[in-house]
Amino acid sequence: QQQVKQSPQSLIVQKGGISIINCAYENTAFDYFPWYQQFPGKGPALLIAIRPDVSEKKEGRFTISFNKSAKQFSLHIMDSQPGDSATYFCAATSNTGNQFYFGTGTSLTVIP
Amino acid sequence: ETGVTQTPRHLVMGMTNKKSLKCEQHLGHNAMYWYKQSAKKPLELMFVYNFKEQTENNSVPSRFSPECPNSSHLFLHLHTLQPEDSALYLCASSQGVRSNQPQHFGDGTRLSIL
Repeated sequence: QQQVKQSPQSLIVQKGGISIINCAYENTAFDYFPWYQQFPGKGPALLIAIRPDVSEKKEGRFTISFNKSAKQFSLHIMDSQPGDSATYFCAATSNTGNQFYFGTGTSLTVIP
Repeated sequence: ETGVTQTPRHLVMGMTNKKSLKCEQHLGHNAMYWYKQSAKKPLELMFVYNFKEQTENNSVPSRFSPECPNSSHLFLHLHTLQPEDSALYLCASSQGVRSNQPQHFGDGTRLSIL
């Protein structure tokens, strides 16, 4: 059973547009929700993360929106740039039993 | 050198070979991880080590054998692998295993089983 469901699988956005990637989870024991960015030939790198007691977190052009009651969270990339073209993974982790689960990834392409 | 370094970057092996993947972290972290990344599938956590002690083994077949001699080094010994084991194997480290301690990943070893 997939612990974290991510959509869409791929996304094409015009330069300057907003990219939105969504994730959903079921396990209420998750208490930390990071997003990772992965470029071809590289490992994932932490982009931004949020705890469930916060509804939104913003770092530069990247914002996480968190809906605890719906068990959903999303990544918004404002003013998307071609350099943002990468694969993005959401994740959910818990202190209980070393639980670390990732989504299937979203391949983002920002066209000039 | 900084960060998490994995060697080799690419590995091609037959099903009867024995090889090892190496990971080294220069971040002073205490926890290290092995993940398997296959196309269109979530990253799969394979093993977790905290202060050199294995704390998690997610039902990984015995043909994968991890070794953590110290907090800076992690190995994945491979033997009698199957074609479905072809994937990108990622190593990561973190300060500890608490959920809010971010994991830092290496660039992976691309493994191909003939």
